[in-house]
Amino acid sequence: DIVMTQSPDSLAVSLGERATISCKSSQSVLYTSNNKNYLAWYQQRPGQPPKLLISWASTRDSDVPDRFSGSGSGTDFTLTINSLQAEDVALYYCQQYFAFPYSFGQGTKLEIK
Amino acid sequence: QVQLQESDPGLVKPSQTLSLTCTVSGGSISSGRYYWTWVRQPAGKGLEWIGRIFTTGTTNYNPSLRSRVSISMDASRNQFSLKFSSVTAADTAVYYCAREYYYEFDFWGQGRLVTVSS
Repeated sequence: DIVMTQSPDSLAVSLGERATISCKSSQSVLYTSNNKNYLAWYQQRPGQPPKLLISWASTRDSDVPDRFSGSGSGTDFTLTINSLQAEDVALYYCQQYFAFPYSFGQGTKLEIK
Repeated sequence: QVQLQESDPGLVKPSQTLSLTCTVSGGSISSGRYYWTWVRQPAGKGLEWIGRIFTTGTTNYNPSLRSRVSISMDASRNQFSLKFSSVTAADTAVYYCAREYYYEFDFWGQGRLVTVSS
């Protein structure tokens, strides 16, 4: 199974500042035949189901603000949130869909400093 | 807009079978474009993918749960279901149903807390 490890477990950032979350996979999730990374990022606000933010490591979903961006390839990925807003307080998960079973990171809790 | 809603199984006793149904509205589960998925989240913990079913009935399961899990669908009711046998307290979690479109979980139910307790 592919193990996804996020860091840090929790993060406190001031409003208007940048938040950076790291995600590492135990094996590469880059499919070389199409050069796509099979990795997504989800946001989960308290009491809500997860919401897709980014797929293919860097493609924002249609209604996601452009202050959210994803980067990385292979085994190392980053979610960056620029100009942090109060509504960004949430848990963030990375998820690989390169191989079964699909697996998620343990989550990163983002709070306002 | 597609909406998914998990049923309420009530309290489930240890060693019994947990049964959940997800009712889909705003779209047909028979559309040959989507997988229909179950994910769970124990209290204060992360997300665990349980498995999925396609329109044809093809299923994929998490190997760690495979021996206890079955996912089925009822196209006439626009529903898909999860059965989880021999449950223990460790299976207490919020269970989500979701739609998977080309690897993306794009629509989710609100989730249903299932408590396993005697």
